[in-house]
Amino acid sequence: GESVGLHLPTLSVQEGDNSIINCAYSNSASDYFIWYKQESGKGPQFIIDIRSNMDKRQGQRVTVLLNKTVKHLSLQIAATQPGDSAVYFCAEATPPQKLVFGQGTRLTINP
Amino acid sequence: GAGVSQSPRYKVAKRGQDVALRCDPISGHVSLFWYQQALGQGPEFLTYFQNEAQLDKSGLPSDRFFAERPEGSVSTLKIQRTQQEDSAVYLCASSQRGGTEAFFGQGTRLTVV
Repeated sequence: GESVGLHLPTLSVQEGDNSIINCAYSNSASDYFIWYKQESGKGPQFIIDIRSNMDKRQGQRVTVLLNKTVKHLSLQIAATQPGDSAVYFCAEATPPQKLVFGQGTRLTINP
Repeated sequence: GAGVSQSPRYKVAKRGQDVALRCDPISGHVSLFWYQQALGQGPEFLTYFQNEAQLDKSGLPSDRFFAERPEGSVSTLKIQRTQQEDSAVYLCASSQRGGTEAFFGQGTRLTVV
């Protein structure tokens, strides 16, 4: 079946360093991908999205890269801060916005 | 309120009890979704409404799960005869018509004992 998954379940980085969170997807027909951040006790929070006709999109301190050839998605967070500690999910959206989430990567920022 | 509101935040139910979980979406949002999130897992789709119409309920795990949105705003997810495997966080999300960004509530943590 279709699935969206993540390569690593946990990631620790030093405060101020850049972090990269990876995601693999299996549905080659997917045309829309989103990264969500989920802090403890809260619902997922939208970070950034990208459509399949793009290979890169930048936001504030975040960049999403899409490689359709190998069906790979990544989230880069620049100059990480303690507030970036959370679980990050990639999700594949199928119209009209039904989301298929991966398992998640827990990002820990070390002081 | 400015965001999606869910109540209660926490619910403990004895096995076999019925529960009702409420979602107040962002005002004006046409689309409403329910997701189930087991501990340590990503959210999984349960059902989708466009206004009052339930257009997709393919993710509901059994006929014990029922969702409604009678007036196209507030939605209720009902679980009958709860079982331990129903223990999870139930998330509600809403989005504008044709919108690509879904806004999530804080969820209701259901524990069945």
